[in-house]
Amino acid sequence: AQRVTQPEKLLSVFKGAPVELKCNYSYSGSPELFWYVQYSRQRLQLLLRHISRESIKGFTADLNKGETSFHLKKPFAQEEDSAMYYCALSGLTGGSNYKLTFGKGTLLTVNP
Amino acid sequence: DAGITQSPRHKVTETGTPVTLRCHQTENHRYMYWYRQDPGHGLRLIHYSYGVKDTDKGEVSDGYSVSRSKTEDFLLTLESATSSQTSVYFCAIMQGGSGYTFGSGTRLTVV
Repeated sequence: AQRVTQPEKLLSVFKGAPVELKCNYSYSGSPELFWYVQYSRQRLQLLLRHISRESIKGFTADLNKGETSFHLKKPFAQEEDSAMYYCALSGLTGGSNYKLTFGKGTLLTVNP
Repeated sequence: DAGITQSPRHKVTETGTPVTLRCHQTENHRYMYWYRQDPGHGLRLIHYSYGVKDTDKGEVSDGYSVSRSKTEDFLLTLESATSSQTSVYFCAIMQGGSGYTFGSGTRLTVV
């Protein structure tokens, strides 16, 4: 079974402060991890995937297989970063089909 | 982004009526998914498809059925709508090396 845990439902920081959104996963194989962002109940947009190792909008995330974590970080938060953030894991189900499993999301609020 | 559209965008229906939501893609991707989004629950997988006429259940499949008679369309049917099925429904496709892309969502209200 594959599982994603985002321990914080809400996270509030001030503009310019560092931000870290936590994500832990459970999966027996080699997972592919993603971060998605959703602004004001719009469609989900891909923010990061671990295999590309890109930095999008100043966000980074490192896959730590030992701790089974994929935390999202940004050194200086901006007000426009306020959104819902979802961590997700893509893995094979029953060995043959791909399924994307989400955490419950963290609502980030960046205060002026 | 791959062309992925959902219809309708909004729907209000009465309890006990059947409802069908449509997801359409334009690039022949093999995998398609239906999720529901609810506060406090995130996105939960309802059903998914890995090819024409090949579907499987997700974690919250009770009360829902799906069909995929051609590659580009994946239909989600609420057989007899209940108030607990009031939600926002998202369709997604897997684009192989590009990850997953989501539709704009359907906001369904069951009264």
